[in-house]
Amino acid sequence: NAGVTQTPKFRILKIGQSMTLQCTQDMNHNYMYWYRQDPGMGLKLIYYSVGAGITDKGEVPNGYNVSRSTTEDFPLRLELAAPSQTSVYFCASTKRTGGAGGELFFGEGSRLTVL
Amino acid sequence: AQSVAQPEDQVNVAEGNPLTVKCTYSVSGNPYLFWYVQYPNRGLQFLLKYITGDNLVKGSYGFEAEFNKSQTSFHLKKPSALVSDSALYFCAVRRAGTLTFGKGTMLLVSP
Repeated sequence: NAGVTQTPKFRILKIGQSMTLQCTQDMNHNYMYWYRQDPGMGLKLIYYSVGAGITDKGEVPNGYNVSRSTTEDFPLRLELAAPSQTSVYFCASTKRTGGAGGELFFGEGSRLTVL
Repeated sequence: AQSVAQPEDQVNVAEGNPLTVKCTYSVSGNPYLFWYVQYPNRGLQFLLKYITGDNLVKGSYGFEAEFNKSQTSFHLKKPSALVSDSALYFCAVRRAGTLTFGKGTMLLVSP
């Protein structure tokens, strides 16, 4: 199993450009997440999905969009990039969130710089 | 609201000494708590979790965590630190199908 795979690993955008961060997992996990990590701020949840066709906003959704057409893929779309979106983005997944579950499996991250 | 706090930005310890990374929580109902580690330029890796049961939870790489309900704490511990334990550590709480993370604590283990 490759686990959670994110592409690209690095990207530089100009203000106003758009791009999509790709995330795919091969563990047949129902739940998928996008977090952003900023120095000293921990991780903030952007969007999450509980299954194909279902997405919901997290703590910091403004400026982002997601879709979940398959169980495996959960792309994150940045429209009209702004310097405030300079960050490291992590995709994560889990099989179940209740009971004794809930631990997330993370990708290696995508470092985005907006200039 | 469910939240966790990590009061230390950085913890310094000498190799071979015991280490503690602190985490306190604020939750309504039963807490479901997690610890993760992040090595430089890598994703987060799961270390251990407390769901219910024994207050001392054992995890990966020799780490353990002590759940203390009266002090609302879930401190990460290791009896003997290694230089290779140097990393960023995150405490997290499960909330409505997601995890809410603390700000992280940088652990530096000196030789």
